[in-house]
Amino acid sequence: AQRVTQPEKLLSVFKGAPVELKCNYSYSGSPELFWYVQYSRQRLQLLLRHISRESIKGFTADLNKGETSFHLKKPFAQEEDSAMYYCALSRLQGAQKLVFGQGTRLTINP
Amino acid sequence: GAGVSQSPRYKVAKRGQDVALRCDPISGHVSLFWYQQALGQGPEFLTYFQNEAQLDKSGLPSDRFFAERPEGSVSTLKIQRTQQEDSAVYLCASNGAGGSSYEQYFGPGTRLTVT
Repeated sequence: AQRVTQPEKLLSVFKGAPVELKCNYSYSGSPELFWYVQYSRQRLQLLLRHISRESIKGFTADLNKGETSFHLKKPFAQEEDSAMYYCALSRLQGAQKLVFGQGTRLTINP
Repeated sequence: GAGVSQSPRYKVAKRGQDVALRCDPISGHVSLFWYQQALGQGPEFLTYFQNEAQLDKSGLPSDRFFAERPEGSVSTLKIQRTQQEDSAVYLCASNGAGGSSYEQYFGPGTRLTVT
């Protein structure tokens, strides 16, 4: 069965502190992993995907196949990072349905 | 350019009523997805179209749910005889060039409340 687990519904850190949003998955085969973000009063949008291996807005995420994890990290949190973050997976390649975790609400305190 | 649009943005229905939710994808996008997002949960897949063909409807929760995309652009999700458990935000997403594209572009959602 395909499943994405985000163990923290809420996460609060101070500005300038490191942030790590956890994501674990179960999938038989080779999935593609994503992080989507939803800022206040905005629509859901892609933040990053594991295949691109790039840093977006200072965030990175490494796919760990041994631990079946795809944690999202940022070394120094900024207030504008406050948002709802969803980890998601799909089958590799092409237009495929996304399986989402339940989301983590990140709050950055000044 | 214009993103994915959905209408209405809010819908209140009495239990037992039928509702129709519309999605206008990004022009030229081949793939279209519907998701249901219950309060406090992540989006859950309902159904997927490639052009006008409905290739996957495995996520539709019951036969009260029906989706169509007759001309391969606009899509409508219809819910018959709405129940309270149908209350959720319904998200539509579209995706570009089929085989090689990966990013789904989401609409603002329709919040359905069944009273």
